Parts: sequence; structure tokens; C-alpha cells
Amino acid sequence: DAEITQSPRHKITETGRQVTLACHQTWNHNNMFWYRQDLGHGLRLIHYSYGVHDTNKGEVSDGYSVSRSNTEDLPLTLESAASSQTSVYFCASSESNEKLFFGSGTQLSVL
Amino acid sequence: AQKITQTQPGMFVQEKEAVTLDCTYDTSDPSYGLFWYKQPSSGEMIFLIYQGSYDQQNATEGRYSLNFQKARKSANLVISASQLGDSAMYFCAMILNTNAGKSTFGDGTTLTVKP
Repeated sequence: DAEITQSPRHKITETGRQVTLACHQTWNHNNMFWYRQDLGHGLRLIHYSYGVHDTNKGEVSDGYSVSRSNTEDLPLTLESAASSQTSVYFCASSESNEKLFFGSGTQLSVL
Repeated sequence: AQKITQTQPGMFVQEKEAVTLDCTYDTSDPSYGLFWYKQPSSGEMIFLIYQGSYDQQNATEGRYSLNFQKARKSANLVISASQLGDSAMYFCAMILNTNAGKSTFGDGTTLTVKP
């Protein structure tokens, strides 16, 4: 069965370190998204991609970057982790305007 | 820009009763889709139901139905015959059809089903 996987599931890092969260999907979807989930804020869009070599900023993109070198992967990089980036991160993919398929999430703690 | 509002941070319902979770949206775009997702305590996000802005009938999926009132810009989720396993966070989301899948989410409603 097709799936979308995130790794790691949990990550603890220190302020100022670079961190990369992995996202891999086997749905062959063109659209991929990164969201963060914080208490009281629902899911907020960080970055998204509509295909290989395409990346776009979402509403909370400061301090984050992504790259899309193939259809399957959209890694999210925190250039210099900050405590404000402690959150649960979800990767998702979709075909056109259809429903999102989500990964299981990554709990990131920045100390 | 589009906006989703869920005004009920928490809701309680008795097992086997029906419950309505509110969602209002704001967009000037005539072409959009509305979604509901469920997030149990385990954390995964599960798609429940979809309604397109041009759909004439309200969407239904098993015990889930979407009460779509376009003029009022509301897309409430109705869960019939609540079960203990329905206890979860529920998110309403919207896609503009011009935005190729980019979803905007509400802040969510936590539903607790009482035995």
C-alpha cells in the first residue's frame, strides 16, 4: 500500500543547531506540504511544493527551508533551531485539490 | 485570504447521541472545497468527509454528514450515534480550487464522548 512516512518520530535538539525532518511518500503525488501544529493554532502551513524543483513559502516559513529533488521526498530543514520551533510537524501530500494524506508527525523539542 | 473558524474549543456528547461541530469559512472565491479531519489522541490525521462548493447535495460518509449552508458560509460536521472512539480533535479545512491543494485549517474542536 502507498504511504507517507516521516522520520524521526521524536527529536530533541539544542538551540542554534540545524535540524532536518524527513518526509517520503509513495503515492506519486505532485503536491507535498509541511505543517506545524501548536496548541490553540490548528495546523499552519510552513512550505509546500507542487512538483520537482518547485518550492513555495507558507504562512509561517521564517527559519525553515525545503527542497524537492524528486517526487517522493520533501525534507524540512530548520537552519538554526529556536525554542519557538518546538512543535509537532506534519508532512502531507495530495493529488490536485483532493484530500490530504498525512504522515504520522514528528514531535520536535528545541531546548 | 481564506479563513476557517471553529468556535467550539471543546464539546461533550453522550454516547449514542448526535453532535454537531461548527465550522464557518470566509472566502470570496466561488470555487472551493471543505474537508473535515479527525485527530485521535494517537496523533494521526484521518480524513472524514469532503464537500465541494458546487455540490448540490450535502456530503455523507457513514455516520458523518456535512451540513453545508453556502449562503451562511458554514460547513458543520454532524456525527450521528456517537461512539467512545469518536473522542478526538476535529479540524475543518478549506481548499481554494485555484490553489492546488493548499489547505487552510481551523483551530479544531475537541470532542469527548461520555459513556
